[in-house]
Amino acid sequence: GIQVEQSPPDLILQEGANSTLRCNFSDSVNNLQWFHQNPWGQLINLFYIPSGTKQNGRLSATTVATERYSLLYISSSQTTDSGVYFCAVFYGQNFVFGPGTRLSVLP
Amino acid sequence: DGGITQSPKYLFRKEGQNVTLSCEQNLNHDAMYWYRQDPGQGLRLIYYSQIVNDFQKGDIAEGYSVSREKKESFPLTVTSAQKNPTAFYLCASSIGTGFEAFFGQGTRLTVV
Repeated sequence: GIQVEQSPPDLILQEGANSTLRCNFSDSVNNLQWFHQNPWGQLINLFYIPSGTKQNGRLSATTVATERYSLLYISSSQTTDSGVYFCAVFYGQNFVFGPGTRLSVLP
Repeated sequence: DGGITQSPKYLFRKEGQNVTLSCEQNLNHDAMYWYRQDPGQGLRLIYYSQIVNDFQKGDIAEGYSVSREKKESFPLTVTSAQKNPTAFYLCASSIGTGFEAFFGQGTRLTVV
């Protein structure tokens, strides 16, 4: 099966800092999503990005499918950005999730 | 409001009992999924369904069962055969296989 890795596993930032989260995958995939899991456990859709670059406010994402990675950029981080960020790739018949990056933004 | 509704939010079960988790969507999505999340871990696929009256096992289906009798509903039963059922369960749906997936708020199951 496919392997999905995320780095770094943990990240601590001061409010206002920028960060880059990375997702690597071991095989060609049809689609890729980024999620933010909030402290109550809900998964919030950030990007549906099989290839290319998308931006939504302070967040942007880039997927380079031919090189099997995706990046999530968070600029001017806020305490509400804290939580776990997951990437998920669509492989075969369903989504396979990475282990996540736990982000803590300190005031 | 359109979306995915999971109920209950919290559930306590005695050992040896079966319990059913509800997942309903009004997005007219064909595909639905059940995932399990253990503390500090990622999500693992239990079952998925691409269309009504059809479903497939995921990576960790043992001890679980599902049905898909209606397009909008995909209940998950955690049976007594599941050795370690305490976990956070998440249901998702997408308009079709491989399209953007949306998640419900989850059900926390605790075996007491």
